[in-house]
Amino acid sequence: EDQVTQSPEALRLQEGESSSLNCSYTVSGLRGLFWYRQDPGKGPEFLFTLYSAGEEKEKERLKATLTKKESFLHITAPKPEDSATYLCAVQAPRDSGYALNFGKGTSLLVTP
Amino acid sequence: DTAVSQTPKYLVTQMGNDKSIKCEQNLGHDTMYWYKQDSKKFLKIMFSYNNKELIINETVPNRFSPKSPDKAHLNLHINSLELGDSAVYFCASSQENRGNTIYFGEGSWLTVV
Repeated sequence: EDQVTQSPEALRLQEGESSSLNCSYTVSGLRGLFWYRQDPGKGPEFLFTLYSAGEEKEKERLKATLTKKESFLHITAPKPEDSATYLCAVQAPRDSGYALNFGKGTSLLVTP
Repeated sequence: DTAVSQTPKYLVTQMGNDKSIKCEQNLGHDTMYWYKQDSKKFLKIMFSYNNKELIINETVPNRFSPKSPDKAHLNLHINSLELGDSAVYFCASSQENRGNTIYFGEGSWLTVV
């Protein structure tokens, strides 16, 4: 069974203080690793999909990387508006409907 | 236009009642989902459905049933509501292929009293 573990559970950063969020995964065969952002009272918002080790994707201050066992979401010079819960997920196979199996998330707070 | 919309956003009801949450997507996707997010914010798949088959997470009680009148809609029916059913329920959709992106609705907050 797919397993996704995210760390830390919560992270507090000063504005401009770069850091990384970790997502460790165990799957029988990676079909895709997804990062989402969730703001309070909202649904998860898609950020990135990574498919193979060595792949990297960037969007503004966020950069996602992937190895065979984990993914990192690097946040460079964060701003208060980056405060949110960041969710990592792996995609189940077709016989499970391609559903996403999520980790428990990292709650990020960026203070001015 | 909202891509995945669900109603109601908030629902407070008594134990034992039967309720439904509606979901519609205008993305032309062929696969829809229901997820449950508990009080600890853990997001867990309940159902996956496309026009061919329904896949049910085995941990979901049979009091929960998805119903799809057409490809753009997947409603969630819940019978005999229990206190433990209180959670946020998210509808989502995607296009079936490897690595498809799943888009989520804004959530429906269900409180059972």
